[in-house]
Amino acid sequence: NAGVMQNPRHLVRRRGQEARLRCSPMKGHSHVYWYRQLPEEGLKFMVYLQKENIIDESGMPKERFSAEFPKEGPSILRIQQVVRGDSAAYFCASSPERGRARTEKLFFGSGTQLSVL
Amino acid sequence: AQSVTQLDSQVPVFEEAPVELRCNYSSSVSVYLFWYVQYPNQGLQLLLKYLSGSTLVKGINGFEAEFNKSQTSFHLRKPSVHISDTAEYFCAPGRDSSYKLIFGSGTRLLVRP
Repeated sequence: NAGVMQNPRHLVRRRGQEARLRCSPMKGHSHVYWYRQLPEEGLKFMVYLQKENIIDESGMPKERFSAEFPKEGPSILRIQQVVRGDSAAYFCASSPERGRARTEKLFFGSGTQLSVL
Repeated sequence: AQSVTQLDSQVPVFEEAPVELRCNYSSSVSVYLFWYVQYPNQGLQLLLKYLSGSTLVKGINGFEAEFNKSQTSFHLRKPSVHISDTAEYFCAPGRDSSYKLIFGSGTRLLVRP
């Protein structure tokens, strides 16, 4: 049973380009979460998705960032017109269920390191 | 608002020595408390968790942590570390049934032979 898979592992973009980060949850998991880790800081929650639904995007920047989790395929975190401040490690996590047990059963991917030149 | 502080960004220690990684949190409501570990080039793994009950929590790989409500701390300890314990350790309090874990900035444990 493969873990949470994120790709690419490293992504380099120039200012103004688009970045697309992919996350495939663990088999049987239908809940996906994205976190961002800025340099020298802890991970911060960005967005929580279920299949075809955004449940909570309270941690997402208001502009340029979007996320989706289609019926088929991986979850995508999309950053348009990247700026240097977007340089960070982006982690995806998945869980099998809702409710109280959810927090206890988060499984994280290895992250995508985004570098904006 | 809830926040978490990991007081040490890096802790160097010799193999077989004891180690304590400090974590303090601030919250006005009940919390769950977690420690995650990230080995080089890997994702975060749950090390241990406190939900309720006994304040001394044992986790994987010989680690344990003690929840101290009066000091709002959840320090991580291991009596004898191995080279393989070299990793980044994150403390993360969570609100009741919340996936919005608040991670500390991490402590890098460097175990030297």
